[in-house]
Amino acid sequence: SQQGEEDPQALSIQEGENATMNCSYKTSINNLQWYRQNSGRGLVHLILIRSNEREKHSGRLRVTLDTSKKSSSLLITASRAADTASYFCATVTNTGNQFYFGTGTSLTVIP
Amino acid sequence: GAVVSQHPSWVICKSGTSVKIECRSLDFQATTMFWYRQFPKQSLMLMATSNEGSKATYEQGVEKDKFLINHASLTLSTLTVTSAHPEDSSFYICSARATGSGNTIYFGEGSWLTVV
Repeated sequence: SQQGEEDPQALSIQEGENATMNCSYKTSINNLQWYRQNSGRGLVHLILIRSNEREKHSGRLRVTLDTSKKSSSLLITASRAADTASYFCATVTNTGNQFYFGTGTSLTVIP
Repeated sequence: GAVVSQHPSWVICKSGTSVKIECRSLDFQATTMFWYRQFPKQSLMLMATSNEGSKATYEQGVEKDKFLINHASLTLSTLTVTSAHPEDSSFYICSARATGSGNTIYFGEGSWLTVV
């Protein structure tokens, strides 16, 4: 990909379980953002974590960032069927002029 | 919240013709807009970054003459796919960075292009 990889590519879990997705990137960043995309639709912004932050929470979402390893993780707790979607990490370069997406994780939550 | 509108949402065109996709920031001014292409079950690939009043910066491998980008105002950027071919069929998404918002970026709903 242009900037990074995500794993797993696909994840299938039972409702109520936690889902963890990982993102690795290549260059120095200003911040990293996570997005959700339902099939064939636009993107919904979930959370932004700055390069000087290590962890951030928003509702059932928990994001971590390790700039030394150039990696981030997104944890969705107590998953719901409605969480079924593709999740992408996106990195913003230090100049702020490039905004690249990772390869994405397709999450399926089984009711 | 801020809204980015793309038009059309769906378009079918004949091979060899050109098609224009508009990206508008409805309630804010966008100094920078980004255009992405997404093939089915793949990630979004940044095609170009456009700054109002200046030429777009294209990513490596994206043909400037094939994908014409115009960002003539602070609320409108257009992507024109020229001489479209079936392999150009894809989902095109724009995003806009609001003036003074730092790194807050808003996405449009995307435009499906099918070239037949």
